[in-house]
Order: sequence, then C-alpha cells, then structure tokens
Amino acid sequence: SYELTQPPSVSVSPGQTATITCSGDALPKKYAYWYQQKSGQAPLLVIYEDNKRPSGIPERFSGSSTGTMATLTLSGAQVEDEADYFCYSTDNSNYPRFGGGTRLTVL
Amino acid sequence: EVHLEVSGGGLVQPGGSLRLSCAASGFTFNDYWMTWVRQSPGKGLQWVATIERDGNEKFYESSVRGRFTVSRDNAEKTLYLQMDSLRVEDSGEYFCARLSGYPDYWGRGAPVTVSS
Repeated sequence: SYELTQPPSVSVSPGQTATITCSGDALPKKYAYWYQQKSGQAPLLVIYEDNKRPSGIPERFSGSSTGTMATLTLSGAQVEDEADYFCYSTDNSNYPRFGGGTRLTVL
Repeated sequence: EVHLEVSGGGLVQPGGSLRLSCAASGFTFNDYWMTWVRQSPGKGLQWVATIERDGNEKFYESSVRGRFTVSRDNAEKTLYLQMDSLRVEDSGEYFCARLSGYPDYWGRGAPVTVSS
C-alpha cells in the first residue's frame, strides 16, 4: 500500500534550523500538508498545499515540495516547537495517507 | 472559532460496540465534509472514515469497512462513528476533523480501548 515516509526523529539546538522530510511516490502530483501534535493534544495544521502557512502559525514554519519529497523547515526552532510532526497527502486513488511522524527535539 | 468536541470513548470487550460523537461549533457544519482519524498508542495517524456534506457518500479505510458506520446530523451539527465488532487493534485515540479538501481543524481525541 502507499506510504509516506518520515524520519522517526530530528534533534536540533534552540535557534538552529530543523528540517523534516516526507517522501511519497504520489507527491509530484499531490499536495503535502504538515501537522504539529503536542502530547495529549489534537493535531494542528502548520502548512497546507505544500508551502502555505495558516494564519496564526509563526513565520519560522515553512514548507516546500520537490519531486517525491516534501519538506517542513523550522528556521530558528524554539523549545515550544518540540512536538511530533506528521505529513499528510493523498495517494493516486485519493485515499488519505499520513506519514509515520517525526519527533522533533529542541534542546 | 471552530470547535470540535469528541465524546463516547471508553473500554469495551472484543466484539463489542461503541458510538463516538463529535459536536461541532463555530462554522456552518453542513458546508463541510467531515472525517474520523485514529492514532494507536505510540503510532502515527490513520484515516478511518469520511462523510460528505449531506451524508449520502461515505468512505472507509479497508480494515473498518463493514464494521464501522459514519453518519451525521446536520440539524444537530454532530458527526458520529458507530463502531461494531471491535477488535483489539481498533484501540487508540479517535479524532474528528473538518475537511477543506484536507483536515484543517481537529477536535481533541477520545480514547477507545478494546480489551478483555
């Protein structure tokens, strides 16, 4: 079945740039979306349609997508950005798919 | 402000049933498709079911098709997930989300534990 593949973990120091990737064969034709999930909370949309930022999301969050890989970038990661991040897209049959999630540690 | 409140989770034995509710507020409920997503302990997110605005079209993940039923009451602004023939592997946190072509707002999840 179709998969979106993310690294299990990424670790950076405060102020550094964190990069989280999501790879999937359908991504050249499908948008990628990114969600932040803190412990015990509902997921929060941080990037939609590859690179758009919802209102209220800090400018340090950005997204891009090239070929089969989408990327979430946190420029100047803060301690409060520590969370799990999931990518989302659809497969070629338009079924929803989530990546396995990446635990971002900022310390 | 968009708000989604999930209720109805709990502990049930294998083969049992549960019904989840998702009460919506802060937006015109019947303008949006809605979806259920679950998260197993320590694992990622998994799409479960989607229902279109009028409730006539429904879509299910293959492992729940025939056992789960998604429905909605637009007058009450509530989304439902009837879960029958529950299995241990159905355990997890169940979220409802509003769809704008993609999940844009999520409610806090309700825990479902299937265990004997």
